[in-house]
Amino acid sequence: NAGVTQTPKFRILKIGQSMTLQCTQDMNHNYMYWYRQDPGMGLKLIYYSVGAGITDKGEVPNGYNVSRSTTEDFPLRLELAAPSQTSVYFCASSNNEQFFGPGTRLTVL
Amino acid sequence: GQNIDQPTEMTATEGAIVQINCTYQTSGFNGLFWYQQHAGEAPTFLSYNVLDGLEEKGRFSSFLSRSKGYSYLLLKELQMKDSASYLCAPRRSGGYQKVTFGTGTKLQVIP
Repeated sequence: NAGVTQTPKFRILKIGQSMTLQCTQDMNHNYMYWYRQDPGMGLKLIYYSVGAGITDKGEVPNGYNVSRSTTEDFPLRLELAAPSQTSVYFCASSNNEQFFGPGTRLTVL
Repeated sequence: GQNIDQPTEMTATEGAIVQINCTYQTSGFNGLFWYQQHAGEAPTFLSYNVLDGLEEKGRFSSFLSRSKGYSYLLLKELQMKDSASYLCAPRRSGGYQKVTFGTGTKLQVIP
């Protein structure tokens, strides 16, 4: 099993650009999550999904969108990137404990 | 809501034992996780407690007291590679397994 994979690993965006962070899991987990982690801070939940076709907002959803068309994939969309979205983004999946992807390091300039 | 309190930083000596405490206030408590996060890497699962008591897994043990809203992670025979942040994460019962992560305790192991 590859576990949870994320692409890209690094990205630099200009203000106002948009992009999609990809996340795929091969463990047939129902639950999937997107977090952001700012330097020296804890994980903040952006969006989550309890199964294909079902998504909901977490603590910090503004500026982001998600979709869950399949069990495996849970992409995160950033529209109109802002410097405040500079962060490390982690995707995770679970049926009990969470398994995390390696993260995407995003810088918005 | 959930409030989580754990020390920001700790330092311990290689070969020693260290205990990282976590207190939490969680409505509808449904278990507590501990994760390890090395600098620049993703968190990895260490332990899960849902009942009171001690769970031992090799050099790592985790304790839970539900009535006190208290947990600790015990690391024995410390190694340099144990230098990392340790995240306490209580879970609230509900449809999506809501887990809240604390800001973590940064442990530095020194020779």
